[in-house]
Amino acid sequence: DTEVTQTPKHLVMGMTNKKSLKCEQHMGHRAMYWYKQKAKKPPELMFVYSYEKLSINESVPSRFSPECPNSSLLNLHLHALQPEDSALYLCASSQPLSNVEAFFGQGTRLTVV
Amino acid sequence: KQEVTQIPAALSVPEGENLVLNCSFTDSAIYNLQWFRQDPGKGLTSLLLIQSSQREQTSGRLNASLDKSSGRSTLYIAASQPGDSATYLCAVKSSTLGRLYFGRGTQLTVWP
Repeated sequence: DTEVTQTPKHLVMGMTNKKSLKCEQHMGHRAMYWYKQKAKKPPELMFVYSYEKLSINESVPSRFSPECPNSSLLNLHLHALQPEDSALYLCASSQPLSNVEAFFGQGTRLTVV
Repeated sequence: KQEVTQIPAALSVPEGENLVLNCSFTDSAIYNLQWFRQDPGKGLTSLLLIQSSQREQTSGRLNASLDKSSGRSTLYIAASQPGDSATYLCAVKSSTLGRLYFGRGTQLTVWP
């Protein structure tokens, strides 16, 4: 099983809402990533978790709050977002500091209104 | 900081042509290089993974090469088909931080 599952596939939220994006993998990977991708741009790294600990935060605004409750799950909690945060949010998994292949989910298309 | 560049940014060809997509990177301290395909609004599908010690990988009509010392990789697509139309992204995995660095992609259109 080389699948990374993201839910929901689509999300529309208001600027005062609180919502969460979820990501799950069962490949035994201990590195999980959140990326943000705007149209016609490459994915931009937001956060990296290694062994369930936050190892990289690419200066992401605090309205994005990541959580890694266990080695298979990764959440991204959203609060007080801005319209410019509308994007495709991608989750990926691999092994930390190794040559293991990275796998990506199908993404959550987020629209902030 | 690692910089990844892909050339060309866009490519439009008739069906049946053989294609070469190029990727270059500035820091040779990598674990591996991956080529991904992305359809509009979708996630990334891994096409080929080349380890830093390897020179070449093949999967069906796709062949990827890696020259780590010169910081270059090419993706060769044989006998292109309209279904190959997508954006192709190159990514290197840093051996210092373990993160992926992406190029801006090549948008490929294959017309019948």
